[in-house]
Amino acid sequence: DGGITQSPKYLFRKEGQNVTLSCEQNLNHDAMYWYRQDPGQGLRLIYYSQIVNDFQKGDIAEGYSVSREKKESFPLTVTSAQKNPTAFYLCASSIDPPDRGFSYNEQFFGPGTRLTVL
Amino acid sequence: QKEVEQNSGPLSVPEGAIASLNCTYSDRGSQSFFWYRQYSGKSPELIMFIYSNGDKEDGRFTAQLNKASQYVSLLIRDSQPSDSATYLCAVYGGATNKLIFGTGTLLAVQP
Repeated sequence: DGGITQSPKYLFRKEGQNVTLSCEQNLNHDAMYWYRQDPGQGLRLIYYSQIVNDFQKGDIAEGYSVSREKKESFPLTVTSAQKNPTAFYLCASSIDPPDRGFSYNEQFFGPGTRLTVL
Repeated sequence: QKEVEQNSGPLSVPEGAIASLNCTYSDRGSQSFFWYRQYSGKSPELIMFIYSNGDKEDGRFTAQLNKASQYVSLLIRDSQPSDSATYLCAVYGGATNKLIFGTGTLLAVQP
C-alpha cells in the first residue's frame, strides 16, 4: 500500500526536551511538508523540502528543525526553543515541488502526531 | 484580510439536503484550489480539486470556481451524517507558491 506514515501517534514532551516526529512516504513524491494545526487556526507551514538534502523554512519555522537525507523520509525535531509546541503535527507530500514551474501541488497527508507538553 | 477565508460554521443541514460550503481568496494569481475533509481528530483527506473556472463534479460532490470573483465553493448533494466533518479550503499558487489553508467550515448533517 502506498501512503504516508507518521509516528508516534501521540507524543508527550517535558519542558526543555527535544523530540523528533517521524514521517515516511512510499509514494515516490519529490516534495514533503510539515504543518502544524491548532484549534481555530487552520494549517500553518513549518518547513518544506523539494528535493533530498534541501529544505526551506515555512511561515512558523522558529523552534523547529528538519532533515531530508532520503527521499522517503522527512523527520521534524521540535526543540526546546519552541515555546508552545502543543499541537497536531501533519506531514504531507506532493509529486511536484512547488517551485519547479507551474505545479498543481496536490498534497496528501499522513495520519498526524499529536504532541502535548507536560 | 485573510488569504483564504471560510465561515467557521457550524453549518447544519438535514440528511438528504444539499450542503453548500464557500471560500474566498485574496491572491488573484492563485492557480489551483482544493477541498479537504477532516474528521475530528484525524488528518485532512483530499476530496476535490479544481483548476479552471466553472464546475467540476465527482459523485455527490461539485466544486465551483469563479476566478473573477475569487470564490470557490463545494456542494454536497444528498448529504449524509457521515459527511459531518470540517471542510478545509486550500489555495495554491500566486505570490507565495505555497498551499494556503482556510480555517475550515464545520458541517453537521442531521439525521
